[in-house]
Amino acid sequence: AQSVAQPEDQVNVAEGNPLTVKCTYSVSGNPYLFWYVQYPNRGLQFLLKYITGDNLVKGSYGFEAEFNKSQTSFHLKKPSALVSDSALYFCAVRDPNSGNTPLVFGKGTRLSVIA
Amino acid sequence: EPEVTQTPSHQVTQMGQEVILRCVPISNHLYFYWYRQILGQKVEFLVSFYNNEISEKSEIFDDQFSVERPDGSNFTLKIRSTKLEDSAMYFCASSEAARGLNGYTFGSGTRLTVV
Repeated sequence: AQSVAQPEDQVNVAEGNPLTVKCTYSVSGNPYLFWYVQYPNRGLQFLLKYITGDNLVKGSYGFEAEFNKSQTSFHLKKPSALVSDSALYFCAVRDPNSGNTPLVFGKGTRLSVIA
Repeated sequence: EPEVTQTPSHQVTQMGQEVILRCVPISNHLYFYWYRQILGQKVEFLVSFYNNEISEKSEIFDDQFSVERPDGSNFTLKIRSTKLEDSAMYFCASSEAARGLNGYTFGSGTRLTVV
């Protein structure tokens, strides 16, 4: 069965500093990996995805994530954090070889960027 | 940019009552999903729907839940007899491709409060 772990409930970073939000996954084959962001009282917004190809993928709002197969990780990164990046971030995985199984989400990591 | 629309944004209901949560997926999408998020907890899959039938459902999606696509645009989630523990944020999502290759587009959610 596929699963996602986000080991940190909360990440605090100063504005202007680099940020990392961690994600590790477990699937039987090659994964489809996604990051979503949720702002207060809003739905989940797609940030970026890894399907195949370059391990470093770039997404919306200056975010990027690196797929590391040996470490089964897909950490979300940004070189310089903004206060407006403060939100709840979800990593999600899907095993494309498992028929119609849906996206499975991690429990989320709350990012707080302090001015 | 196309959006998934959910109504109402907030619903308060008494325990034991039936509720219907409504969603209008993106018009050219073929795959539809319901997820829920209990406050402060992970986003959990409920059900997926394709070609007018359920393609996958979780153990949460018991006999109290049902989904329907009554016309060409709406996709509804019905909870027959609500319980206190059904209080959550319910998200509808849709995708155009099989296997969620392009990820899912989520609505802003309906906050259901059962009292």
